[in-house]
Amino acid sequence: AQSVTQLDSQVPVFEEAPVELRCNYSSSVSVYLFWYVQYPNQGLQLLLKYLSGSTLVKGINGFEAEFNKSQTSFHLRKPSVHISDTAEYFCAVSVIGNAGGTSYGKLTFGQGTILTVHP
Amino acid sequence: NAGVMQNPRHLVRRRGQEARLRCSPMKGHSHVYWYRQLPEEGLKFMVYLQKENIIDESGMPKERFSAEFPKEGPSILRIQQVVRGDSAAYFCASSTGWGANTEAFFGQGTRLTVV
Repeated sequence: AQSVTQLDSQVPVFEEAPVELRCNYSSSVSVYLFWYVQYPNQGLQLLLKYLSGSTLVKGINGFEAEFNKSQTSFHLRKPSVHISDTAEYFCAVSVIGNAGGTSYGKLTFGQGTILTVHP
Repeated sequence: NAGVMQNPRHLVRRRGQEARLRCSPMKGHSHVYWYRQLPEEGLKFMVYLQKENIIDESGMPKERFSAEFPKEGPSILRIQQVVRGDSAAYFCASSTGWGANTEAFFGQGTRLTVV
């Protein structure tokens, strides 16, 4: 089984400051890694994903994340945040499984980190 | 191309009633996932369906919950005899499949309140 731990439930930061949202995972098999953002009363939007290759992944809205296999981490970073980045951020993992010959994936989410950007 | 459509956005039910949540996937998507988000928690996987088939229901409560994805029409998550603990946001996601170049797109969710 997989598990995801987001180490900070809330992160307050001032506008234009850098931010890092931390995510650690546990899995006995290889996983894909994702970061999603959820604005109030909205669904989830994919920020970025790591499937393979370069461990530094760039996503939308200036976010990036680095996969560290030895530390089983996938921290999200942004060098300069905006007020509009205020939202809840979820780290997630998936393992590709097979059922009846059909490949599929399902996501295991962390508890979420609420990022609040102050002016 | 419209996104994943969920309705209703908000649903209020009294204890003991039935709740029906609908999810229309994006055009061309035949994979649907349902997730539940309890207050102060992350999303938890419930069930994965392809057209007319339940592929994985390992996250579904054993009783009162069921899901379907018929050949025609939206996917339905059905909760019978709702209890207060069922109050949550229910999200649906759809995809064309899973792999390096696919993505699960999420709907805006249905917020169920049981009174």
